[in-house]
Amino acid sequence: DAGVIQSPRHEVTEMGQEVTLRCKPISGHNSLFWYRQTMMRGLELLIYFNNNVPIDDSGMPEDRFSAKMPNASFSTLKIQPSEPRDSAVYFCASSFGGGATDTQYFGPGTRLTVL
Amino acid sequence: LAKTTQPISMDSYEGQEVNITCSHNNIATNDYITWYQQFPSQGPRFIIQGYKTKVTNEVASLFIPADRKSSTLSLPRVSLSDTAVYYCLVTAVNQGGKLIFGQGTELSVKP
Repeated sequence: DAGVIQSPRHEVTEMGQEVTLRCKPISGHNSLFWYRQTMMRGLELLIYFNNNVPIDDSGMPEDRFSAKMPNASFSTLKIQPSEPRDSAVYFCASSFGGGATDTQYFGPGTRLTVL
Repeated sequence: LAKTTQPISMDSYEGQEVNITCSHNNIATNDYITWYQQFPSQGPRFIIQGYKTKVTNEVASLFIPADRKSSTLSLPRVSLSDTAVYYCLVTAVNQGGKLIFGQGTELSVKP
């Protein structure tokens, strides 16, 4: 079975441009999580969805970041406008249930570089 | 969520048993302890989870004392491929699966 799929794997853009990261969770999973990883801040949870509904977006850094989950098999994380400090690896993860004991399966990540 | 404290780094040699201890003094009654492993350029991967006493699976064991203020991940007979960052997390039942990652322990296995 395919795991969590993220695209693109690498993205290089210039400051001020819009960036859209995409995620396809594992089929049948009903919870989806977006994380950001940097050397300085480690792995941070940005937002998570349960049954396509955003449950907690307290980790979203600011209004430039937005996330959507229009259906159970697709989610996007958008940054508009992008800034150099947004450079990081962005991971998407999914799980079945969304509870504390449910295993989260992570995608390979998107490495974003904002020049 | 309870904060976790674990060593920044550890070194080991192939074939040795490695024990990584995590401190979580403020763990709540309903919290679970979960460990994830991350290789360079990959997303974290679930290793093991437990609530109390001892849990064992095909790759690791997790020891949790009665007071649950700490836990120890045990990796038997490590190999070079176990070189990775290991994260200890406390997961709360009422947090809907929210994971708070600490700094992790960077394990280096040498030949």
